[in-house]
Parts: sequence; C-alpha cells; structure tokens
Amino acid sequence: DIQMTQSPSTLSAFVGDSVTITCRASQSIGSWLAWYQQKPGKAPKLLIYKASSLESGVPSRFSGSGSGTEFTLTISSLQPDDFATYYCQQYPSYPYTFGQGTKLEIK
Amino acid sequence: QVHLQESGPGLVKPSETLSLTCTVSSGSISSYYWSWIRQPPGKGLEWIGYIYYSGSTNYNPSLKSRVAMSVDTSKNQFSLKVRSVTAADTAVYYCAREQKEYSNSPRYFDSWGQGTLVTVSS
Repeated sequence: DIQMTQSPSTLSAFVGDSVTITCRASQSIGSWLAWYQQKPGKAPKLLIYKASSLESGVPSRFSGSGSGTEFTLTISSLQPDDFATYYCQQYPSYPYTFGQGTKLEIK
Repeated sequence: QVHLQESGPGLVKPSETLSLTCTVSSGSISSYYWSWIRQPPGKGLEWIGYIYYSGSTNYNPSLKSRVAMSVDTSKNQFSLKVRSVTAADTAVYYCAREQKEYSNSPRYFDSWGQGTLVTVSS
C-alpha cells in the first residue's frame, strides 16, 4: 500500500492568514492526488484533484501543487469557514489511501 | 447534482453482518464506479472498496475476506456487507462516487453521502 503522510497534524492560524499543508507519498503517484475538506459531523468535500485542479465551486483561495511524492495545499486569506480538517488521498494505486489528516484551528 | 444517501441499521452485534445500502438520486448509477469508505470515531478515512455499475468489484485487502458489495441498477442502489464484525468495525460509513477526468484515468471521489454511524456492540 502507498502510505500518505501529512504535516503538520494540527495547524493554528488567524483569519486572513495564508497556510500550507504538506502531503508526502511513500512512492511516486504522479499528479494523482486529491485534497478533501471535512467539517465535524459532515462528509469530506472534494477541493482539488490531480494535485492542482480546483473542483467546480471551490473558492480560488485554495490551491494545490506538487508531483511525484511531495504535494502541498495552500489556503490564502483564511476565512472562518475554512477551519476544518484536511485530507490528501492518492488514487492511482489500489487500495486508495488517505493521509491522517491536518486539523486547521482558529488562533 | 448527484445525491447519495446511506441507509441501514445503526447497531450491529459482534460476529454478525453489517449491511448498508446507498441510494443514488438526481443521477444515474450507470457508467460510474461507486465506493464505500469508513471513518472510525475521531480517526481518519479508510477505503473499503468499489463496485462498478456492471457489478465488478475491487476490495481493500485489509477487509477483502469479510466484504461483499452488490449493485441494483433498477433501483439506483448499491450495497455493502461486512461479515463477522467486531468493535473495530465501528465507524461512520460513507458511500461515494468515483470520478475521472478522461477515459481510463485514475479516479477520485467527487460526491459523498452524508455518512451513517454503525456501532458494533452487544
């Protein structure tokens, strides 16, 4: 299985800040990486696929980059609605696997 | 906008079989792959497996011996069964649609059900 490791596990920031979450794969996955946002009691929501493609309807303050084994999710100008847990997921290889999650907290 | 809704018992006894159904509305189940994903309370996400509308399946090896999925295209539903459950199977279970950019490209999850909590306890 491909292991996905996110850092940090927890991140504290102010409204208006810019933050970056990193996701590393245990082997190359090309650009086949997705990012999801999950709020308490809710299902994950797709933000980005293929490392940098923004899902329709997702604000442009979310951006993704990377390829191979290292990827980043950047959220610029944090809004109150952005405080949630974020997961990366690799999808070229079965079983699909997710990172352990990064909880973004308001400071 | 496709809508997915999980349904099934919220409480299952140890050693019994967990059974869930996902109903797809505002869209067809045809031509897509459909997955089950679970999340133990306070923990991360685990992919259980997928079923194609034609009935072909692919399961996570960690659960393969206990999992079975089926599809009913006439009802726009697909289902999950997990045999011989233990407390470790307690989780929120999500159904999700797999999406792809183009033919034969890898797939990601673009639509999710709201999830249903299944507790394994006597």
